[in-house]
Amino acid sequence: ETGVTQTPRHLVMGMTNKKSLKCEQHLGHNAMYWYKQSAKKPLELMFVYSLEERVENNSVPSRFSPECPNSSHLFLHLHTLQPEDSALYLCASSQDFTSGSNEQFFGPGTRLTVL
Amino acid sequence: GQNIDQPTEMTATEGAIVQINCTYQTSGFNGLFWYQQHAGEAPTFLSYNVLDGLEEKGRFSSFLSRSKGYSYLLLKELQMKDSASYLCAVIDSNYQLIWGAGTKLIIKP
Repeated sequence: ETGVTQTPRHLVMGMTNKKSLKCEQHLGHNAMYWYKQSAKKPLELMFVYSLEERVENNSVPSRFSPECPNSSHLFLHLHTLQPEDSALYLCASSQDFTSGSNEQFFGPGTRLTVL
Repeated sequence: GQNIDQPTEMTATEGAIVQINCTYQTSGFNGLFWYQQHAGEAPTFLSYNVLDGLEEKGRFSSFLSRSKGYSYLLLKELQMKDSASYLCAVIDSNYQLIWGAGTKLIIKP
């Protein structure tokens, strides 16, 4: 595997379910990100991890819970979601967090549908 | 508040040139990115500008004017595969990427 991978690619869940999204980066990067992408809206940054420590949490509801066990893996745990949480969830990584020319590499995303 | 503006949709003809504009108002500036995103796929990096001027990379060029809070992405010799969304993003003073909603570019034969 190369680059940034995400599983599953598609997920349908009920509002009472608990599920997890997984992201893995094979680039040796130190920073990882979770984004939410809704139709015709800007990418919304949810969480940032730098060297496995959370550095940003942009007022995300507690029904989304991130976990970064090491610098290569990032999880997003989901529970009691709402239909408006249906979106494309993108994971990204970059060499460092505090660097200007900090190109982010994205995974293919998980298309989440909450019924 | 912080804001990135870009047109929602543009249409161009195969073989032609198109310019996609982006204006921004952010708390601080540490660079501007352009990304390409094909439908159902991940965004991929196109360019990075931090100084004023034009950066050319093959058929794609990106321009920045920091004093005007303005950038554009210029695509030459358009091909059908260039049909995609183009995302403008600015790094603010906290090194956070602020994203525009993207411009959907439709290429017609």
